[in-house]
Amino acid sequence: SQQGEEDPQALSIQEGENATMNCSYKTSINNLQWYRQNSGRGLVHLILIRSNEREKHSGRLRVTLDTSKKSSSLLITASRAADTASYFCATDENRDDKIIFGKGTRLHILP
Amino acid sequence: EAQVTQNPRYLITVTGKKLTVTCSQNMNHEYMSWYRQDPGLGLRQIYYSMNVEVTDKGDVPEGYKVSRKEKRNFPLILESPSPNQTSLYFCASSLDLYNEQFFGPGTRLTVL
Repeated sequence: SQQGEEDPQALSIQEGENATMNCSYKTSINNLQWYRQNSGRGLVHLILIRSNEREKHSGRLRVTLDTSKKSSSLLITASRAADTASYFCATDENRDDKIIFGKGTRLHILP
Repeated sequence: EAQVTQNPRYLITVTGKKLTVTCSQNMNHEYMSWYRQDPGLGLRQIYYSMNVEVTDKGDVPEGYKVSRKEKRNFPLILESPSPNQTSLYFCASSLDLYNEQFFGPGTRLTVL
């Protein structure tokens, strides 16, 4: 079962613009995480937000969590060429110990 | 250096020939996972382990086995590989279910 679903599937923006990606999930969670993957390489953890938090910042990243809507958003401000990558959200499920990843958003920063 | 290692990084094999992909972490993490990544499907969890001698099925466990005899190692075993197991495989570890995961570099497996 797919828990996290990212939206959009792909996004192209100009360097310097802000990029926003969304993630929706189906069941209650303990936390939600965002990861970045550069072409075919291992995933790198970006930020974790717990179910009792609403917003979290890390450098140019801002993550929000709305548990009533079962959704999260990742905002990357002042995008750079190096931000070109795929971004995934991952959630746990309260009823077991699995971790569920979404299908990802492919972000392309245009020079 | 804190890391998750996987071996081999690339493997081409034939249908039915048993293989093992090793995974090792040096961070004393309790939670370890195996994922497969296929185009358009994202990452799907195959098996996970909460601690030594404790393993559970993820979303796509069919055709795979794992073991967790030691805390640092979590090998993935394909007893009789089939072409539909051609994929990119990732091992990951974390302190527990509620913390960030550290990923290995991936193993690209092709089953002919």
